[in-house]
Amino acid sequence: EVHLVESGGGLVQPGRSLRLSCAASGLIFDDYAFHWVRQAPGKGLEWVSGINWNSGSLDYADSVKGRFIISRDNAKNSLFLQMNSLRVEDTALYYCAKVASAHIVPAHYMDAWGKGTTVIVSS
Amino acid sequence: QSVLKQPPSVSGAPGQRVTISCTGSRSNIGADYHVHWYQQLPGAAPKLLIFGNTNRPSGVPDRFSGSKSGTSASLAITGLQAEDEADYHCQSYDASLSAWVFGGGTKLTVL
Repeated sequence: EVHLVESGGGLVQPGRSLRLSCAASGLIFDDYAFHWVRQAPGKGLEWVSGINWNSGSLDYADSVKGRFIISRDNAKNSLFLQMNSLRVEDTALYYCAKVASAHIVPAHYMDAWGKGTTVIVSS
Repeated sequence: QSVLKQPPSVSGAPGQRVTISCTGSRSNIGADYHVHWYQQLPGAAPKLLIFGNTNRPSGVPDRFSGSKSGTSASLAITGLQAEDEADYHCQSYDASLSAWVFGGGTKLTVL
């Protein structure tokens, strides 16, 4: 069974940085692409960023482009999200989600999710 | 504001049938991108419910079904059970935004 565990969230001031991690188990990690998806309090889901199996293809939502960087370490079965220049509107529960493919193709879906890690941006 | 539009809430009595709509546009659902549905139980992470418009992952009861037509999609739940009470989210891809997009989510209440 696929198991995804996010970590690294916390309370941070606007303008500061935070690095989220997602540890994966129960799968051959480098067979799959991954996304980060967030959910602000009381709101719907929002796609943040995606990465294919070998980091050769990266995608970002316009709301985070230029501020967030997605990466992965296949040797450590881990996914990361470096979040810089954080804003109050980045406050959310951040989920790591596995894609049912090695590539981040529009048609593909997210077939496993972690429980999320909470990021609060506040002064 | 979410790119895909869903009703904020729906409700039904046990045993009844409910549907949840997901309305998009010509740049997402209408551009023939697949629609997927996720169930989010209270306090839990989303779980894949329907993929590729109409397909159920292994383990999802056949009480759940998906459909798509034009710029909209729907999730139908028959034989409503108390355990179905959850938030339901639709998801597709938007070519204009070059982004994976979600609906705002629909809270299902079982009366």
